[in-house]
Amino acid sequence: GAGVSQTPSNKVTEKGKYVELRCDPISGHTALYWYRQSLGQGPEFLIYFQGTGAADDSGLPNDRFFAVRPEGSVSTLKIQRTERGDSAVYLCASSSYRGPYNEQFFGPGTRLTVL
Amino acid sequence: AQSVAQPEDQVNVAEGNPLTVKCTYSVSGNPYLFWYVQYPNRGLQFLLKYITGDNLVKGSYGFEAEFNKSQTSFHLKKPSALVSDSALYFCAVRRDDKIIFGKGTRLHILP
Repeated sequence: GAGVSQTPSNKVTEKGKYVELRCDPISGHTALYWYRQSLGQGPEFLIYFQGTGAADDSGLPNDRFFAVRPEGSVSTLKIQRTERGDSAVYLCASSSYRGPYNEQFFGPGTRLTVL
Repeated sequence: AQSVAQPEDQVNVAEGNPLTVKCTYSVSGNPYLFWYVQYPNRGLQFLLKYITGDNLVKGSYGFEAEFNKSQTSFHLKKPSALVSDSALYFCAVRRDDKIIFGKGTRLHILP
């Protein structure tokens, strides 16, 4: 079946603008995760959804970042008043159930560049 | 708090030789450990995981990892490296319902 998909693959924006990044998880996966990967670093956790609700948003860096998953499938990560430091690859992952095994399947990412 | 450390930024290995990518962990309770690989312009791919049981875990593409509780290590290994194994490798640990990644080790397999 299809894997996790993310759109757009690349996004270039200007400082101060608003952006939305979309994630389509694997069909039937109830858990969805957002990570941010800066150059030369490992992915850093941002937020985790179980169904429609954000179960853990402790990784969001500040209130400019927000994510939704209104129907428990597709998720959108929203960044307001973008800053140059927001430039990174934003990764989405999904998994089939909540539990210790927690194997996550990752999408190809959205590369965000803030000029 | 759960964390992992990858002490090497880069590892170079000649094709056909065995390879090891190091990882140490710090956890309270039972560790749930993972290895992921990232190829250029592609998403992270799951390689293998340790939950419990045998200390030698076998995964995708001929990789395996050895869990060592006394040394708090979870090194990734392969008996014979291929040029196509060149990629960025991440060790990771489960914390609550999320995965905490190490900073990654770039593996170069030299032909």
